[in-house]
Amino acid sequence: DADVTQTPRNRITKTGKRIMLECSQTKGHDRMYWYRQDPGLGLRLIYYSFDVKDINKGEISDGYSVSRQAQAKFSLSLESAIPNQTALYFCATSDPRGEGSSGDTQYFGPGTRLTVL
Amino acid sequence: AQSVAQPEDQVNVAEGNPLTVKCTYSVSGNPYLFWYVQYPNRGLQFLLKYITGDNLVKGSYGFEAEFNKSQTSFHLKKPSALVSDSALYFCAVRARNTGGFKTIFGAGTRLFVKA
Repeated sequence: DADVTQTPRNRITKTGKRIMLECSQTKGHDRMYWYRQDPGLGLRLIYYSFDVKDINKGEISDGYSVSRQAQAKFSLSLESAIPNQTALYFCATSDPRGEGSSGDTQYFGPGTRLTVL
Repeated sequence: AQSVAQPEDQVNVAEGNPLTVKCTYSVSGNPYLFWYVQYPNRGLQFLLKYITGDNLVKGSYGFEAEFNKSQTSFHLKKPSALVSDSALYFCAVRARNTGGFKTIFGAGTRLFVKA
């Protein structure tokens, strides 16, 4: 987990506030992802980036935006937070090189617990 | 639609007994299959994967999984459970999607190992 770090680890905010969650990695991977985890729903993909100039929406991107500032940094923003965005958020990375052997295995950060009141 | 199913929300097993956590999938083509484990207050950790070759895959902490193409399953197993195996387990499949590939996660199965 130390190779992928997330800040903050916990955040409580109010409805309507703008929030930014940050992710940094030292694995040298090109691919980065943002997921949210909700009980009983597993992980759902919000956004992903295959390199600095490539940003793609996942299955639940509404209400979120991202920025890939560098290969090592991928930030998630909630422009105007709402209570149903209360969840555990994970950043992950993967390396497509040697994909036949790695299978694009993902490496996760420790998560950010976000509560929107 | 492509999907991954973990039919059990929770699995309870006594320490020392064998454990199985079930996973089935529905995707087109030849999938890559993964198991990840999540301990409390931690991110997901990779356990094992199947890409090709031998249907029985061995991974970390004594876990193994068997790829069964005819049943589209990839069940996680361990011959003798430990209390420390108690965690949330996720099955995932990497499948072809519009414009490339994507990884789909199951909803997770919580494993309780009782001493």
